[in-house]
Amino acid sequence: KNQVEQSPQSLIILEGKNCTLQCNYTVSPFSNLRWYKQDTGRGPVSLTIMTFSENTKSNGRYTATLDADTKQSSLHITASQLSDSASYICVVSAASGTYKYIFGTGTRLKVLA
Amino acid sequence: DAGITQSPRHKVTETGTPVTLRCHQTENHRYMYWYRQDPGHGLRLIHYSYGVKDTDKGEVSDGYSVSRSKTEDFLLTLESATSSQTSVYFCATRSGTGLPDTQYFGPGTRLTVL
Repeated sequence: KNQVEQSPQSLIILEGKNCTLQCNYTVSPFSNLRWYKQDTGRGPVSLTIMTFSENTKSNGRYTATLDADTKQSSLHITASQLSDSASYICVVSAASGTYKYIFGTGTRLKVLA
Repeated sequence: DAGITQSPRHKVTETGTPVTLRCHQTENHRYMYWYRQDPGHGLRLIHYSYGVKDTDKGEVSDGYSVSRSKTEDFLLTLESATSSQTSVYFCATRSGTGLPDTQYFGPGTRLTVL
């Protein structure tokens, strides 16, 4: 069964600190992996997207890594800001099948001043 | 939100009443999707469209129907709303050109069924 699991479920850090969010998946055949940021009351917004051949992708202070062999991804946030408080969702696309996008349940990050 | 609007943004209705949610896009994207988001679940696909008048079911389609008569509009209808359909509903679009291409999400509609 295609699944995406994220950890931790929630995380609280102080402003200026770094953090790393994890995503493990069992989706096969794999096509690509996306990280989305979802602010409270808003729709998800894409941060990064990685295909099988890419193992790292950066978007400002956000850096995503992908290990296709172990089927793991991480999202590293550097020098966190209050505006980083949001849910971060990992989405894996299958290369075939009707339901191509498999969503994780997200990690809720809160950054405190 | 990549030119995607949803209406209404909030709705409270009673069990048994019909409800229609509207998604409107200005990007001329081919694919459109309806998802629901509930605590403890990832976004779950209700229905999707791969062109005008072309739609198909997602993983949680029971109790929902959709229509797409124009490229820019995708309607989600709850024929007879139930309390289990209380949720936040998101519309998404995807161009379908270029690889990989990204889904863009609307702002969501919060629906409460009493």
